[in-house]
Amino acid sequence: DQQVKQNSPSLSVQEGRISILNCDYTNSMFDYFLWYKKYPAEGPTFLISISSIKDKNEDGRFTVFLNKSAKHLSLHIVPSQPGDSAVYFCAASVGDYKLSFGAGTTVTVRA
Amino acid sequence: DARVTQTPRHKVTEMGQEVTMRCQPILGHNTVFWYRQTMMQGLELLAYFRNRAPLDDSGMPKDRFSAEMPDATLATLKIQPSEPRDSAVYFCASGRTSVSTDTQYFGPGTRLTVL
Repeated sequence: DQQVKQNSPSLSVQEGRISILNCDYTNSMFDYFLWYKKYPAEGPTFLISISSIKDKNEDGRFTVFLNKSAKHLSLHIVPSQPGDSAVYFCAASVGDYKLSFGAGTTVTVRA
Repeated sequence: DARVTQTPRHKVTEMGQEVTMRCQPILGHNTVFWYRQTMMQGLELLAYFRNRAPLDDSGMPKDRFSAEMPDATLATLKIQPSEPRDSAVYFCASGRTSVSTDTQYFGPGTRLTVL
């Protein structure tokens, strides 16, 4: 049972524009959410996170928004750069070690 | 630059053969995770160790998979016998603690192909 869903397997965006990645979850007990980024032939690396007590967290070009009522979070990348081309995984936790991951969204930034 | 290492990076084997994947966590980390990445499911947690003790292997097929940590610098994941449906990328990750707010650091993965 997939508790975290990324319904868009891929996203193509022009360099300099905004990338918006979406993630939906079903478990209302999730209280911590993360985004990981993965390049080919490498493991995922932590990108940004947000606690359920917040609705926004920003780190440089990356902003994560959380809408608890809709059980939805999104990652905004502004402006998008060629180095942002990667697979992005959304993950959620009920506060312990167990992360539930989505299937990933492949982002391609076009020059 | 501390990082998680995994060997082998690629493994091709025939159905029925034993497969062993190895992981060296970051020195000083006391939690180790094994994940499997498939196209359909994304990243699934297979096993979790804290201070070398297996605390959760509920994600692992018990009949053919086994995970161990013989010492603090080595974690192993074995599949015996392997089946074509086991073909996937297997990641090891380590962390300082087991709370979700503590970052998990992933290794580069072992890409397993079972023919």
